[in-house]
Amino acid sequence: AQKVTQAQTEISVVEKEDVTLDCVYETRDTTYYLFWYKQPPSGELVFLIRRNSFDEQNEISGRYSWNFQKSTSSFNFTITASQVVDSAVYFCALSLGGSARQLTFGSGTQLTVLP
Amino acid sequence: DGGITQSPKYLFRKEGQNVTLSCEQNLNHDAMYWYRQDPGQGLRLIYYSQIVNDFQKGDIAEGYSVSREKKESFPLTVTSAQKNPTAFYLCASSTGTGVYNEQFFGPGTRLTVL
Repeated sequence: AQKVTQAQTEISVVEKEDVTLDCVYETRDTTYYLFWYKQPPSGELVFLIRRNSFDEQNEISGRYSWNFQKSTSSFNFTITASQVVDSAVYFCALSLGGSARQLTFGSGTQLTVLP
Repeated sequence: DGGITQSPKYLFRKEGQNVTLSCEQNLNHDAMYWYRQDPGQGLRLIYYSQIVNDFQKGDIAEGYSVSREKKESFPLTVTSAQKNPTAFYLCASSTGTGVYNEQFFGPGTRLTVL
């Protein structure tokens, strides 16, 4: 069975600080996809990134960057120069290859960016 | 504008009553999903549907029912058999059910049982 662990329940930072959200996953499959979603106070989940298990390149998109390391089964998310608008709950999720069709979500990290 | 709509945003129900949550999408997506979110927890899959007139149980289907008569619509009924229905319900859709297809989510319905 697959599992996603987000050990950080809540994080508070002051605006302009960098912050890293941790995600550790468990699966025996060799083909899988990892996702990050953002859930602002409005409740709607917003897709941020998808990464497949064969692509370990780090990715940067503006102030966001992701560090995928298969050796430690981690897919961490860093926000550089955080802003108040980054305040949200962030979810890491795992989807398996083959016939699997569902996302397994972590419990989420509540990020609060203080002005 | 393409997207997913869920109604109502807030819903109150008395114990023992069935209630139906609406989900409509105009993205022309084949697959649709229902998730439940409880405080401090991630999303858990209730049901999903790959095509019209077909749907499959997820991890926590007991006490819920769905239908998929139209591609655009995937309503969820919370029955009186659901022991703890108070939660936030999210509907999602994707172009297919392949693992590479990211899911797009609606704004959610918050259900409270009085």
